[in-house]
Amino acid sequence: SQKIEQNSEALNIQEGKTATLTCNYTNYSPAYLQWYRQDPGRGPVFLLLIRENEKEKRKERLKVTFDTTLKQSLFHITASQPADSATYLCAPSRGYIPTFGRGTSLIVHP
Amino acid sequence: DAMVIQNPRYQVTQFGKPVTLSCSQTLNHNVMYWYQQKSSQAPKLLFHYYDKDFNNEADTPDNFQSRRPNTSFCFLDIRSPGLGDAAMYLCATSRGATSGLTDTQYFGPGTRLTVL
Repeated sequence: SQKIEQNSEALNIQEGKTATLTCNYTNYSPAYLQWYRQDPGRGPVFLLLIRENEKEKRKERLKVTFDTTLKQSLFHITASQPADSATYLCAPSRGYIPTFGRGTSLIVHP
Repeated sequence: DAMVIQNPRYQVTQFGKPVTLSCSQTLNHNVMYWYQQKSSQAPKLLFHYYDKDFNNEADTPDNFQSRRPNTSFCFLDIRSPGLGDAAMYLCATSRGATSGLTDTQYFGPGTRLTVL
């Protein structure tokens, strides 16, 4: 069965540093992959989408890479701010229904 | 603004007492989903409607039912809530992109269900 792995341990970084979150998947060949942000007690919010034929996608301080050989996506937040503290979920997909990972909690310290 | 709305935000029910959660959307999306999310876990898809077509996940308990009376509204019915059903319930919508296209989900704020 499909398996999505995101680091269950929280990532603690200092403000201004680059945060890098990892998403690995197995038994799956997604056509695209999405990243969502989820704040405590709220629903996930879409951030970025990258297709299987794209290596990298950027949006403001966010960057996503997608390596279909390694079956891995990396999510980067540059110049991180305390307001970036949240849980980030990856969601690979082949059709219209994604498979969500459990997310990695990011804590940015001032 | 177009959005996904869930009511109530917090729901307390008693063990075995039926409860209904509601979701509405102004996005005019074809697909509406219900997810169950427990602390530090991935959202678990319970079922979804593509237009009027109901799609149940294989491991969704019979205790969970859903109704979609029109494009805008979708309901989650829990017939006999158990303590293990306490969770955040998330409603989401998407266009329902067909083969070769991408799709993105829009979530509501969630309903936190407590079972006493």
